Amino acid sequence: AQSVTQLGSHVSVSEGALVLLRCNYSSSVPPYLFWYVQYPNQGLQLLLKYTTGATLVKGINGFEAEFKKSETSFHLTKPSAHMSDAAEYFCAVTGISSGSARQLTFGSGTQLTVLP
Amino acid sequence: NAGVTQTPKFQVLKTGQSMTLQCAQDMNHEYMSWYRQDPGMGLRLIHYSVGAGITDQGEVPNGYNVSRSTTEDFPLRLLSAAPSQTSVYFCASSYSYGLTEAFFGQGTRLTVV
Repeated sequence: AQSVTQLGSHVSVSEGALVLLRCNYSSSVPPYLFWYVQYPNQGLQLLLKYTTGATLVKGINGFEAEFKKSETSFHLTKPSAHMSDAAEYFCAVTGISSGSARQLTFGSGTQLTVLP
Repeated sequence: NAGVTQTPKFQVLKTGQSMTLQCAQDMNHEYMSWYRQDPGMGLRLIHYSVGAGITDQGEVPNGYNVSRSTTEDFPLRLLSAAPSQTSVYFCASSYSYGLTEAFFGQGTRLTVV
């Protein structure tokens, strides 16, 4: 079984400030980890993903995330927030195995507000 | 390149009515899935398919049916709509089952009154 916990359903930052969105996961098999972003009235689109190899992964729009196995975390960061970053962000996990572990399991989401 | 196309975008149903949400992808992906999105609950998997003719249940399958007769299409049927099925529904497809990027449609906002 897999699960994802996103700490903080709402996060507010000032424009230009650091963005930190927290994600912890649970997986019985080696995980693949994803961050998706959802803009209002749109579907989800991929920001970045970790599969294997380098634990610091860079995505679109200046976002990056670091896979920390010992902490079972995959937090999303961006050094300087922009107004256009306001959206809902979802962390998701899947696993390298057969069966249900390979289904994508989502966290409950974090709504990011960027204040001028 | 259209990606994943869902129709309709909005729908209002009366309790007990049935309807089909359409989903089509043009990326030749084998894996397709349906999710529902409810506030504070993220996306929950309803049904999925790993190829034409093969479907299976996800986390919340009750009240929904699916079929996959072609690689491109994966319709979701609500058999007898209930207010608890008021939600936003997303269809997604991916190249590899669970291990590669999922591409999402724009969503269908369904209200059951």
